This record gives sequence, structure tokens and C-alpha cells, in this order.
Amino acid sequence: DSGVTQTPKHLITATGQRVTLRCSPRSGDLSVYWYQQSLDQGLQFLIQYYNGEERAKGNILERFSAQQFPDLHSELNLSSLELGDSALYFCASSVGNYGGNEQFFGPGTRLTVL
Amino acid sequence: GEDVEQSLFLSVREGDSSVINCTYTDSSSTYLYWYKQEPGAGLQLLTYIFSNMDMKQDQRLTVLLNKKDKHLSLRIADTQTGDSAIYFCAESRIIKAAGNKLTFGGGTRVLVKP
Repeated sequence: DSGVTQTPKHLITATGQRVTLRCSPRSGDLSVYWYQQSLDQGLQFLIQYYNGEERAKGNILERFSAQQFPDLHSELNLSSLELGDSALYFCASSVGNYGGNEQFFGPGTRLTVL
Repeated sequence: GEDVEQSLFLSVREGDSSVINCTYTDSSSTYLYWYKQEPGAGLQLLTYIFSNMDMKQDQRLTVLLNKKDKHLSLRIADTQTGDSAIYFCAESRIIKAAGNKLTFGGGTRVLVKP
């Protein structure tokens, strides 16, 4: 158990809908990261927050947004869902802010868009 | 640029050593990580090495880094059936402005045969 929790574990929804994925980092970690794992794209970095502020951005679609709250948990919002958004979404956390800080991953949320 | 590549599949007999290979292209100072993903699970951090090191050993795991060829390998001694999983190589640049995003390889599926 990495100490990072994600809810829900599974999510099934329809195209055009909006969903929210939630992540709680390890105790003491200030950085939260979101990654998408799909068969065709592999593991892709989406976005990083550090202590409430956006820190780095990857291949995140405009339909997707995230935030980190004062209690350090984070939410990833996915809207206008398409079939291709079906994937495993991982949250990770680390103590610090930049390269060299080990990231610990949650169990993931499996999103299925029908 | 950033690109991390791995071979797709490795089959090994129980008790033998496994060697998983990875190449990366980023020439800046970087940390290189190995993660393990078992079916239906998240990513478990196994070990990591900084790009100014040549080798790191941690129990059954040995990481070798050839900086000239930008080649990284993970050796698992005395491979067990529980080592069957997908192994990901990842890199993170230590440039503060870049945050701490991980760039992953495509993963190597390791199958351990009894």
C-alpha cells in the first residue's frame, strides 16, 4: 500500500458526460500528479500540482481540468467524454516539487466510456 | 527531447536472472526509475538511480547505467514467479522549472516460468 488513495475504483459512463476523479496524497506529500494509462498511448503525464498551485502540465486535453485543494487532495475533472478517454487514471504524490522526488502511485481509477 | 524505449516482452525461468533494458534520449541531468505493475494494480516504485551514477544495488535488484549510450538496465537475481509483471522505466529531469513529470517507456512484460 503506497498510502495514496483514489476514488472511485471503477467508473462507467456515457459519451458526453462529465466525471470527477479524486485523489488523496500520502501524509506529508505536497505534490500531486495525474497520469493516464491507455493501450494506445501508454502512460502519459497529465498535470502536477504542488501545494495548491499548478506546477507542470503535460498532454492534458482542454476538456480535462484538475485542482488541488487546501487539504492537499486533488480532483481531476473530465468533461464531454469520448470513447477514447477510456483508460486507467493514476494519481501519484511526492514530498517535493522537482526531479528526484520519488513518486508513489495510487491504485488507479478505471474509466470506461460507453 | 524526451523519449524512453523498452523491449516489449521477456520470458525467464524461475531461479534465473532477468535483465530488462531501457534507452532514454534526454541528455540533461536526470533521475531514472524502475516501476513494477502487477495485473489490476498501480505502479510500485522498485528503485532509482541518478544519471551521474553507474550502478545501484538493492537486494535482488541491480541497476546499471551506461551514460554514453543512454542505456539503463534492471537485473533481477533469482527471479521468482511473483516477479511476473510489467516493468516500466521512467525518467525525470532535475530542472526546477520543469516540475517533476515522469516520462515512461512502453513497459516490458516479464513472464516467469516455473
